[in-house]
Amino acid sequence: DGGITQSPKYLFRKEGQNVTLSCEQNLNHDAMYWYRQDPGQGLRLIYYSQIVNDFQKGDIAEGYSVSREKKESFPLTVTSAQKNPTAFYLCASSIEGRVNQPQHFGDGTRLSIL
Amino acid sequence: KQEVTQIPAALSVPEGENLVLNCSFTDSAIYNLQWFRQDPGKGLTSLLLIQSSQREQTSGRLNASLDKSSGRSTLYIAASQPGDSATYLCAGATDSWGKLQFGAGTQVVVTP
Repeated sequence: DGGITQSPKYLFRKEGQNVTLSCEQNLNHDAMYWYRQDPGQGLRLIYYSQIVNDFQKGDIAEGYSVSREKKESFPLTVTSAQKNPTAFYLCASSIEGRVNQPQHFGDGTRLSIL
Repeated sequence: KQEVTQIPAALSVPEGENLVLNCSFTDSAIYNLQWFRQDPGKGLTSLLLIQSSQREQTSGRLNASLDKSSGRSTLYIAASQPGDSATYLCAGATDSWGKLQFGAGTQVVVTP
């Protein structure tokens, strides 16, 4: 089955530590996205990538970094500069990032502070 | 900046009743409007996507309308079932590549 796989499902971060969230898709989609969801709030865009080796900042990129070395992979690193990282992180993909194509989502990673 | 609002935040209905979920947006220059379903602790599932040139989309018991002039979209779910219990989010595409601005969602409970 084609889809988006996020791992791990739960992740804990210590003070001053960087952590990396994995996102892999086998849908052959060009565009990939990272969102953050806080309780009672909608999703907010962190980073997006329309093509391999290219990515752009979203609305809340500070304290996060990404890479897009392969079409199927778009890992997100939550750095120690992100002072409030506790949230539910969702990865999505779509065909060519076109406006008439829906985004497909993974099942998310829940990040908490130790 | 586009702002998307969903009211109410939560809704409970008895099984069999029709559901009406509201979504409003501030900027009528919207490229599309999407409705998603989210089950607890899970990702989002795309339900319907309405292009800016369309007025509505239908899929089974679901029907979504779009009125750009009034800045509103409505999701109708006919003959609700307990399995429809979930959070429903709407999102508007704010540019040509499909960047989405999300509402906070409406949590729906359908009681047997």
